[in-house]
Amino acid sequence: AQSVSQHNHHVILSEAASLELGCNYSYGGTVNLFWYVQYPGQHLQLLLKYFSGDPLVKGIKGFEAEFIKSKFSFNLRKPSVQWSDTAEYFCAVSREYGNKLVFGAGTILRVKS
Amino acid sequence: DGGITQSPKYLFRKEGQNVTLSCEQNLNHDAMYWYRQDPGQGLRLIYYSQIVNDFQKGDIAEGYSVSREKKESFPLTVTSAQKNPTAFYLCASSISKLAGEETQYFGPGTRLLVL
Repeated sequence: AQSVSQHNHHVILSEAASLELGCNYSYGGTVNLFWYVQYPGQHLQLLLKYFSGDPLVKGIKGFEAEFIKSKFSFNLRKPSVQWSDTAEYFCAVSREYGNKLVFGAGTILRVKS
Repeated sequence: DGGITQSPKYLFRKEGQNVTLSCEQNLNHDAMYWYRQDPGQGLRLIYYSQIVNDFQKGDIAEGYSVSREKKESFPLTVTSAQKNPTAFYLCASSISKLAGEETQYFGPGTRLLVL
């Protein structure tokens, strides 16, 4: 069965620190990849997505993610975090033309001001 | 103002009781989904529907039921057979029947608590 692993459940950073959240998936075929974010008290919303093309994807609020097919990874990065980035981040994967989105367990990021 | 609405925001269930969670979308999306979110487990798919009058079980369908009589509505019933219903329930929709290609948009969620 397809699975998605997020390496850290809790991350605490100071403002201006760099962020990298790991995501690995188990499916060997063509996949679509997503990062969603859930800010406190808000809807789950899309941060960025990869379907094809350039493996370095840029999203909202200065986030980017790199798809490395050989490593089955789709890590999320931000060069300098802000207090407002405090949220829970979810990696999700679906197969090309598939009909299921499989989520990782989530990473809770707390940014100290 | 387009989007997905879920009601109620909080729902309390007594033992042996069935409860229904509402999900409505005005995005004209074909596909709709129900997820359950538990701390440390991410989101798990309960049911999904790619078209009106059709739906499929997800990974954790036991103790739940759904209907899709209208394109804009996809209610979820938590039955008494669901032994651990306390969770945050999220409804989502996507534009395409081929759900894996398209972004899913989420509602605000319903928190279900057992009395």
